[in-house]
Amino acid sequence: AQSVTQLGSHVSVSEGALVLLRCNYSSSVPPYLFWYVQYPNQGLQLLLKYTSAATLVKGINGFEAEFKKSETSFHLTKPSAHMSDAAEYFCAVSSGGSYIPTFGRGTSLIVHP
Amino acid sequence: SQTIHQWPATLVQPVGSPLSLECTVEGTSNPNLYWYRQAAGRGLQLLFYSVGIGQISSEVPQNLSASRPQDRQFILSSKKLLLSDSGFYLCACQGSNEKLFFGSGTQLSVL
Repeated sequence: AQSVTQLGSHVSVSEGALVLLRCNYSSSVPPYLFWYVQYPNQGLQLLLKYTSAATLVKGINGFEAEFKKSETSFHLTKPSAHMSDAAEYFCAVSSGGSYIPTFGRGTSLIVHP
Repeated sequence: SQTIHQWPATLVQPVGSPLSLECTVEGTSNPNLYWYRQAAGRGLQLLFYSVGIGQISSEVPQNLSASRPQDRQFILSSKKLLLSDSGFYLCACQGSNEKLFFGSGTQLSVL
């Protein structure tokens, strides 16, 4: 079985501050891990993915995430927030034997000027 | 890469009316296809997935059904809409390394 927990339904940061969105997963086999972003009234688009290569994954728009097996975590970070980063962010996991991805409940990122 | 076409973008329907949302995919063949629903302020709920023509799996019992009449066509339907069917509906196609490509979504309001 696989599952994803995103801590915090809302995260608020000031423009220029560090962004940290938390994701913990559960999987009985090595997982594929994903972060997706959703802007208002749009579909989701892939930010980055981990597929058992480098543990530090760089994505679009300056985001990156680090896979930590010992902590079963895949937190999303960005050194300096922009107003345009305000959106909903979803962590997802899929693992061997179940190609169907499981999504977290999402974290809404709010960026203050 | 895959392109997902989903329409209409918005839809307002009365309770008890039928529903048909269509999703078509370009740039791939024999994809896994998904329908998700996103209620206001909530996460993604998987409704249906399909691994091939005529093959539909339902994740939750509800007032909706899905069909896949062609390899790159996925349709979400209802015979009689309920108020609780309101939400943002997303079609997705699964690419390499299991990542998903999403359509732009349909905002359905049932009144």
